[in-house]
Amino acid sequence: EAQVTQNPRYLITVTGKKLTVTCSQNMNHEYMSWYRQDPGLGLRQIYYSMNVEVTDKGDVPEGYKVSRKEKRNFPLILESPSPNQTSLYFCASSYTGTGYGYTFGSGTRLTVV
Amino acid sequence: SQQGEEDPQALSIQEGENATMNCSYKTSINNLQWYRQNSGRGLVHLILIRSNEREKHSGRLRVTLDTSKKSSSLLITASRAADTASYFCATDISGGSNYKLTFGKGTLLTVNP
Repeated sequence: EAQVTQNPRYLITVTGKKLTVTCSQNMNHEYMSWYRQDPGLGLRQIYYSMNVEVTDKGDVPEGYKVSRKEKRNFPLILESPSPNQTSLYFCASSYTGTGYGYTFGSGTRLTVV
Repeated sequence: SQQGEEDPQALSIQEGENATMNCSYKTSINNLQWYRQNSGRGLVHLILIRSNEREKHSGRLRVTLDTSKKSSSLLITASRAADTASYFCATDISGGSNYKLTFGKGTLLTVNP
């Protein structure tokens, strides 16, 4: 089944403790992206990747890192999480970018206390 | 207003009725996409309409695009309780990055049995 898999689904952590949210797709898509969703603010793009080893900032990249060492994986790293990063995070992929529909993962609900 | 703004914010109808949601945007686009999100879950791509298209159909969905008015509408015919979800439009801005979809804040549709 074609899908984007995120893990974990839920995560509660403490301020400053480094964490990684994994994202993997099995569709051989070139493009991958991370979004966060907050009430009243909608979906905002954090980072995106056009292909292996090619990444760029979205609208809200502060406090996040990404890497794209393999085509299928695009992890999101929070080196020192803070409470304002409490949010619902989504990974998405598409064939080559915005000219095609995105396939979204099921989301990761992160709480930073 | 932001690029890609849905109207109304919330819509409540009876099963069997049609539901119409609108999306307005500010700048020229390459394409416009509609997504559905069930509460707290990942977004699901419904339909993509390109700037040179005026109407597209997919099952019970009909999407129109009026580039002169910078607006789009999503019509769901013969609605079902399972259509209850939030619906988002997303725009691919012409001349902008090829790697960013900008999402609206969504319309919450409730279909009452």
